Amino acid sequence: EDQVTQSPEALRLQEGESSSLNCSYTVSGLRGLFWYRQDPGKGPEFLFTLYSAGEEKEKERLKATLTKKESFLHITAPKPEDSATYLCAVWGSGGSNYKLTFGKGTLLTVNP
Amino acid sequence: DSGVTQTPKHLITATGQRVTLRCSPRSGDLSVYWYQQSLDQGLQFLIQYYNGEERAKGNILERFSAQQFPDLHSELNLSSLELGDSALYFCASSASGQGFQETQYFGPGTRLLVL
Repeated sequence: EDQVTQSPEALRLQEGESSSLNCSYTVSGLRGLFWYRQDPGKGPEFLFTLYSAGEEKEKERLKATLTKKESFLHITAPKPEDSATYLCAVWGSGGSNYKLTFGKGTLLTVNP
Repeated sequence: DSGVTQTPKHLITATGQRVTLRCSPRSGDLSVYWYQQSLDQGLQFLIQYYNGEERAKGNILERFSAQQFPDLHSELNLSSLELGDSALYFCASSASGQGFQETQYFGPGTRLLVL
């Protein structure tokens, strides 16, 4: 069974204090790994899709990387507006062709 | 604002009842996806429709069903409701039928409370 574990569950940073969020996964035949941002009471907002180990993608202060067992979301010099829950999901090919498994998320709080 | 609309925003009902959640995708998007988000299970993919046809199924219970109409709006029907069905239900849309490799745009969700 596909599994996604995100750590830490919660992270508090000071504005400007860079850090990384981790997403460890086990999946039968990885077809894609996704990162989303979710603000309280709102739907997830797509950030990145990574397809193969070694791939990296960047968007403003965020950079996502992928290895064969985990993905990292690096946040450089975060601002208070980066506070949100960050969700990781994997799309696997084992069993159902459309098996999408989400992690529980990391709640990021950036203090000014 | 993603352009995806969902109604109602909140719904309170009793166990055993049936409810219908509605979703209108972004203009021009052909695929609609339904997700359930609960505190204990996290976010789960339920089902995808593409241009009126069911395209993919996830962890959708038999008590739940969905459809997509010719105008591309979609409805998620939940029947014989149980306490454990209390959750946030999200709809998302994407441009075509390529599934998860396409960017999905999520609506604001419908919060369902079953008492």
